[in-house]
Amino acid sequence: QVQLQESGPGLVKPSETLSLTCAVSDYSISSGYYWGWIRQPPGKGLEWIGSIYHSGSTYYNPSLKSRVTISVDTSKKQFSLKLNSVTAADTAVYYCARRGNNWSDFYFDYWGQGTLVTVSS
Amino acid sequence: QSALTQPPSASGSPGQSVTISCTGTSSDVGGYNYVSWYQQHPGKAPKLMIYEVTRRPSGVPDRFSGSKSGNTASLTVSGLQAEDEADYYCSSYAGSNNFLFGGGTKLTVL
Repeated sequence: QVQLQESGPGLVKPSETLSLTCAVSDYSISSGYYWGWIRQPPGKGLEWIGSIYHSGSTYYNPSLKSRVTISVDTSKKQFSLKLNSVTAADTAVYYCARRGNNWSDFYFDYWGQGTLVTVSS
Repeated sequence: QSALTQPPSASGSPGQSVTISCTGTSSDVGGYNYVSWYQQHPGKAPKLMIYEVTRRPSGVPDRFSGSKSGNTASLTVSGLQAEDEADYYCSSYAGSNNFLFGGGTKLTVL
């Protein structure tokens, strides 16, 4: 069973860059699948941030595209999120998740437990 | 792109059925059969309950079913049980490799 685990700083200062990593266990990222990041501000709904294919192709939420970079390191079995120029509005629980292996698999079937990132000075 | 529209709350008694709606546009819900539904208990990660409008992942009870008509998708929970009390989110493909989520519906089992 695929397991995902987010890691990274829980506190980021305004205007700085939020960096998170998702470690994938019991599955080789290089074998396939799309991988993604989703966030949830406290008490609010889910927001898709972006996705990456194992080959490195990326797809971003248009509203965040100018500030987001998602990358994959198949040798380390992990993928990463960078969100720059953060503000308090970026405070949220950040989840990493696995999408399907096919381009038409538009759902997330495995999720990490989530990590809270607070933007504050 | 705007979030998909869900009612903030829904409720039902044990054993009853409840339906949660998810309204989008012809560019997302109405344009593709790629609607999914997630269940989220407090403090937990979302769990996939329905994908591609009507399909259930292995292990999801058949009490959960999905449908779609035009720009509105629906999740029906039949034979409500106490453990079904949770937040439910819909999601839809919105073209150009984009996803949209709904604002969420809090389901209360009375």
